[in-house]
Amino acid sequence: QSALTQPPSASGSPGQSVTISCTGTSSDVGGYNYVSWYQQHPGKAPKLMISEVSKRPSGVPDRFSGSKSGNTASLTVSGLQAEDEADYYCSSYAGNNNYVFGTGTKVTVL
Amino acid sequence: EVQVVESGGGLVQPGGSLRLSCAASGFTLSDHFMDWVRQAPGKGLEWVGRTKNKANSYAAEYAASVKGRFTISRDDSKNSLYLEMNSLKTEDTAVYYCARSSNWRFDPWGQGTLVTVSS
Repeated sequence: QSALTQPPSASGSPGQSVTISCTGTSSDVGGYNYVSWYQQHPGKAPKLMISEVSKRPSGVPDRFSGSKSGNTASLTVSGLQAEDEADYYCSSYAGNNNYVFGTGTKVTVL
Repeated sequence: EVQVVESGGGLVQPGGSLRLSCAASGFTLSDHFMDWVRQAPGKGLEWVGRTKNKANSYAAEYAASVKGRFTISRDDSKNSLYLEMNSLKTEDTAVYYCARSSNWRFDPWGQGTLVTVSS
């Protein structure tokens, strides 16, 4: 199972928006609404930010939103803040009890 | 507070074995699927495998890269999850995380435990 494709990096100034893409296939992202997004600060454990494409767990700021079109999912962070600087990983169910993560995107707040 | 805490990592030689543990608290372990995910140094996340809940007979599934070498088990009476790793390879070097899962979302994650496979 190949990893989902994410851009290596993304950046924005405080207050701006940044969108991260996550491209898979019809066998994973395009085939199921089980796309999640995780935030990981250096040396820390990943934290769930979005589940089932666009659901935001309690406690996650509404600046974070998710969407999907075809085989590509997206995470948008609006109103960027310094604490949003981190690595972000998408993930998707891939059928046959398999699961795949994205390659990861480093978000820099300029 | 719902949390999971991993332990048991360390240095092991290629071909060796190691058993990781994950202690769960704040929720009833038997009600939940539990997964292991790993992250090689400086690399991305890789799903390792899962054990389903009691209602699904604790069935386990594994990534192709570890199938036949790794075994996931659990002891609900001790609120603990385990990952038995055999025939370890250098490419198994990683931080290993356990996480509670439902609808293929992982939350929460533990802080991870580092496994280094090296001679």
